[in-house]
Amino acid sequence: GAVVSQHPSRVICKSGTSVKIECRSLDFQATTMFWYRQFPKQSLMLMATSNEGSKATYEQGVEKDKFLINHASLTLSTLTVTSAHPEDSSFYICSARDASGGTNEKLFFGSGTQLSVL
Amino acid sequence: GESVGLHLPTLSVQEGDNSIINCAYSNSASDYFIWYKQESGKGPQFIIDIRSNMDKRQGQRVTVLLNKTVKHLSLQIAATQPGDSAVYFCAESSGGYQKVTFGIGTKLQVIP
Repeated sequence: GAVVSQHPSRVICKSGTSVKIECRSLDFQATTMFWYRQFPKQSLMLMATSNEGSKATYEQGVEKDKFLINHASLTLSTLTVTSAHPEDSSFYICSARDASGGTNEKLFFGSGTQLSVL
Repeated sequence: GESVGLHLPTLSVQEGDNSIINCAYSNSASDYFIWYKQESGKGPQFIIDIRSNMDKRQGQRVTVLLNKTVKHLSLQIAATQPGDSAVYFCAESSGGYQKVTFGIGTKLQVIP
């Protein structure tokens, strides 16, 4: 199946710093990528939908100025957590939609990034 | 509506038995449903999907049942193995993968 690479897998940072997470579709082009956040023992909560070449669409309650999303190419989307605070500590997961297969359209997930803010 | 952050229910089954994981979805406009498996510290892995014009779909050792009347989805795993231990999420979408919303999830524990 298609591969989505997410980097870094784990990051520890100081409060007030910014952290960038990358999501790459390795063997397909993704016009749409999604960013999720997951707290321990809870479900994935959609944060935003990232569209190549246009502004991301954020879910209600997600601060767009805090979680900056850039989807500059068909294979790369980035999520930057600005001025991170301990409450931003979470598992962040990206996914990319492979729309090239027609009825076999699928959503593929990265391996996630564990962010710990001290 | 969106799923809320609740702690995961747990299902314990004996190795070799069949497992049934249930899910109630919220949006009557959803027309596409997916089951994912998530192992600890990893991203979700696609298991099987079903469109709203079907009520049953079978894969290898897995079957998904859809009851649109009561907005209920189930995942059946035959001959459950220790490697099936993970958290299972149902997800719903309308109009393809325009927006995929995840359910609460169920932790499956397989007892050897």
